[in-house]
Amino acid sequence: QQQVKQSPQSLIVQKGGISIINCAYENTAFDYFPWYQQFPGKGPALLIAIRPDVSEKKEGRFTISFNKSAKQFSLHIMDSQPGDSATYFCAASRRSNMLTFGGGTRLMVKP
Amino acid sequence: DGGITQSPKYLFRKEGQNVTLSCEQNLNHDAMYWYRQDPGQGLRLIYYSQIVNDFQKGDIAEGYSVSREKKESFPLTVTSAQKNPTAFYLCASSILGTSGETQYFGPGTRLLVL
Repeated sequence: QQQVKQSPQSLIVQKGGISIINCAYENTAFDYFPWYQQFPGKGPALLIAIRPDVSEKKEGRFTISFNKSAKQFSLHIMDSQPGDSATYFCAASRRSNMLTFGGGTRLMVKP
Repeated sequence: DGGITQSPKYLFRKEGQNVTLSCEQNLNHDAMYWYRQDPGQGLRLIYYSQIVNDFQKGDIAEGYSVSREKKESFPLTVTSAQKNPTAFYLCASSILGTSGETQYFGPGTRLLVL
């Protein structure tokens, strides 16, 4: 049973464009929502994270938008660059260190 | 230089063979995790450990075993009972907190069946 659903599975964006990846969750007890970035052949690394008491968090070109009532959150990458080409995972946790991951989105930014 | 190391980078398993994947961390983290990554399925938790000599099954523990004899080490054995072991295996660690502790991942081991 997939508790965190991520879309799209793959995404192609032109350099300078906005990349948007969406996630939806079912468990209202989730209280921490991180995004991880993974380059080919490497382990994932934390990119940005949000808690449900705020609706938006921005770090540089990366922004998380959070909609608690809709149980959805999304990652926006502004001014997308070829170096952003990677697989992105959303995740959620519930009062613990245990993370439930979405299925991943493979992003390709074309020069 | 602190971090998580996994070895080997590639591992080949023959039919009926058990193989062990190594994971070591020097971050002084109490919690360690093993994930399996398959295309399009994200990361699925195999086992986790929050303290030495104790570990818990994750979502897909069947066919796998672990040990945690030292804080720094959390090896994963893929047994012959695991019928579809071909995957990318990731080890992670974190401090032990109530919520939102960052998990730090190793570089992974790719397991292939001969």
